[in-house]
Amino acid sequence: AQTVTQSQPEMSVQEAETVTLSCTYDTSESDYYLFWYKQPPSRQMILVIRQEAYKQQNATENRFSVNFQKAAKSFSLKISDSQLGDAAMYFCAYRRGNNNDMRFGAGTRLTVKP
Amino acid sequence: GAVVSQHPSWVICKSGTSVKIECRSLDFQATTMFWYRQFPKQSLMLMATSNEGSKATYEQGVEKDKFLINHASLTLSTLTVTSAHPEDSSFYICSARDYLSGRANYEQFFGPGTRLTVL
Repeated sequence: AQTVTQSQPEMSVQEAETVTLSCTYDTSESDYYLFWYKQPPSRQMILVIRQEAYKQQNATENRFSVNFQKAAKSFSLKISDSQLGDAAMYFCAYRRGNNNDMRFGAGTRLTVKP
Repeated sequence: GAVVSQHPSWVICKSGTSVKIECRSLDFQATTMFWYRQFPKQSLMLMATSNEGSKATYEQGVEKDKFLINHASLTLSTLTVTSAHPEDSSFYICSARDYLSGRANYEQFFGPGTRLTVL
């Protein structure tokens, strides 16, 4: 079974600083996708970034980037120039293949201090 | 594009009654829909996967007779919590995938969730 582990229940960052959220996963599959989702107080899940396992290049979306270490099964999210609006729960997720369900980690609550 | 709606956004019911939650894909055909449950300060736990026109596949530990899922069309899936009890109080989130068109073959689109409170 695939598992996703987020070892940081809570993280805090100063506004404009950089923060890294950790995620590790366990799988024996070769075809899979990894995601980071943001869940603000509204509870709406918002896709932040995704990474295809077959791609060696780390995904980047504006201030958000990942460090994908396939051999180590690690998928961390770096948020640069943190903004107050980044405060939310962040979930790391794994999906096997293209048409399967998604499994989520326990989440990390990010606080941004002004 | 790729909007998923849920109705109602919140519902309060008495113990023993049944509650139906609707999940709609507004601008795409959802061949597969997923239902998640999220308890306070916890992660999303997959309850079941439903494919249009076929029976839902439930995760281990989820009672299929209690959580009835119907995916009768490519734009609508419903979750009915039968004989609800206070322990069923939770936040229920659906998500949908558009596998046919290829537009969103990596991504699940999430609904805004439904908060169920059973008194």
